[in-house]
Amino acid sequence: DTGVSQDPRHKITKRGQNVTFRCDPISEHNRLYWYRQTLGQGPEFLTYFQNEAQLEKSRLLSDRFSAERPKGSFSTLEIQRTEQGDSAMYLCASSLEGQGLKNQPQHFGDGTRLSIL
Amino acid sequence: AQKVTQAQTEISVVEKEDVTLDCVYETRDTTYYLFWYKQPPSGELVFLIRRNSFDEQNEISGRYSWNFQKSTSSFNFTITASQVVDSAVYFCALEKDSSYKLIFGSGTRLLVRP
Repeated sequence: DTGVSQDPRHKITKRGQNVTFRCDPISEHNRLYWYRQTLGQGPEFLTYFQNEAQLEKSRLLSDRFSAERPKGSFSTLEIQRTEQGDSAMYLCASSLEGQGLKNQPQHFGDGTRLSIL
Repeated sequence: AQKVTQAQTEISVVEKEDVTLDCVYETRDTTYYLFWYKQPPSGELVFLIRRNSFDEQNEISGRYSWNFQKSTSSFNFTITASQVVDSAVYFCALEKDSSYKLIFGSGTRLLVRP
């Protein structure tokens, strides 16, 4: 049983550069989520996809951030013109849609740790 | 507004001690879900349990047990006979019905010393 896979695990870049992260969800999961976690805090919701449709975006997701899930499978999260404040762990999760309790809980990947120099 | 508070920033115990991690939540919704996740040093969030707001039965899974009390808006997590491998950051989270997004507390770091 393959879990949620994220790539890369670590990314170090200079301020102002663009970065892109990839998330491969559990294969049968139709929902995919992105969260951001800063040091000493719990994850904060960024955005959510159901299949290829992006259904919700947090106000945390400024216009420098864009996420896609073109074929309803893997997803990418791009940050343009990175800033020091973007340094964080970016977590991806996936789940299987169902009704009420049949909604499966979200399963998380190992995350991508971004460091901005 | 929804909110999750984990007042204990860090707990240190000696192996085999019992330990309880506190979680207090705020929501005006009648239907919601509560979760606990474990985050070991590797970084992956590991799902432990989900409860819905209509089920206040306590749950036990091996050395883990959970106490859900709507009257005090609490969903506490107890580890019995703790082990070094239990050392991790534990997060409590709240999901409003069909909102898809989890609202996490700030986590409790548990250190189990041999």
